[in-house]
Amino acid sequence: AQSVTQPDIHITVSEGASLELRCNYSYGATPYLFWYVQSPGQGLQLLLKYFSGDTLVQGIKGFEAEFKRSQSSFNLRKPSVHWSDAAEYFCAVGVRTNAGKSTFGDGTTLTVKP
Amino acid sequence: GAVVSQHPSWVICKSGTSVKIECRSLDFQATTMFWYRQFPKQSLMLMATSNEGSKATYEQGVEKDKFLINHASLTLSTLTVTSAHPEDSSFYICSATDRGAPPSGEQYFGPGTRLTVT
Repeated sequence: AQSVTQPDIHITVSEGASLELRCNYSYGATPYLFWYVQSPGQGLQLLLKYFSGDTLVQGIKGFEAEFKRSQSSFNLRKPSVHWSDAAEYFCAVGVRTNAGKSTFGDGTTLTVKP
Repeated sequence: GAVVSQHPSWVICKSGTSVKIECRSLDFQATTMFWYRQFPKQSLMLMATSNEGSKATYEQGVEKDKFLINHASLTLSTLTVTSAHPEDSSFYICSATDRGAPPSGEQYFGPGTRLTVT
């Protein structure tokens, strides 16, 4: 079975600083990878996804993520964080044979300092 | 596109009563709908998977008689919390996969329903 680890429970960055949120997965083949963002009291919004091809994927709101097979990682990055980026971020892995299910990491809470 | 709605967005009910939460895919047909429960500051816990016209598949530890799921059409799934108790208070989120897309695990999420049982 697949699993997802987000090592950082809470990250604080200053507005304008760069951001990297870590995600490691465990799965025997190439998975489908996702990053979602959740604002308080809201559902999840897809930031970006990796299915195949170019390992650097661009998403919405200026986010990007890089799939590194050798490290089983899919880290999320943003060059300059805005105060509105403060939220909960979830990494997820899906597999073709799993009837559309995804496995979610425990999430990383991002706080942005002014 | 790919919008999922939930109704109600929040509900307060008395202990012992039942409450129904609706999940609708507004602009696509959903192959599968998922129901999650989320406790404060925690990740999503998958409760069940439902496919149109068939019985829901519940995750281990989820009481199927307590959390009734009906998936009557390709755009509507409902979760009924029966005989609700305060410990059922939580944030319930549904999601759906697009029937027109390959099965990849990509899900479209509803905005969630906050249930408070008094």
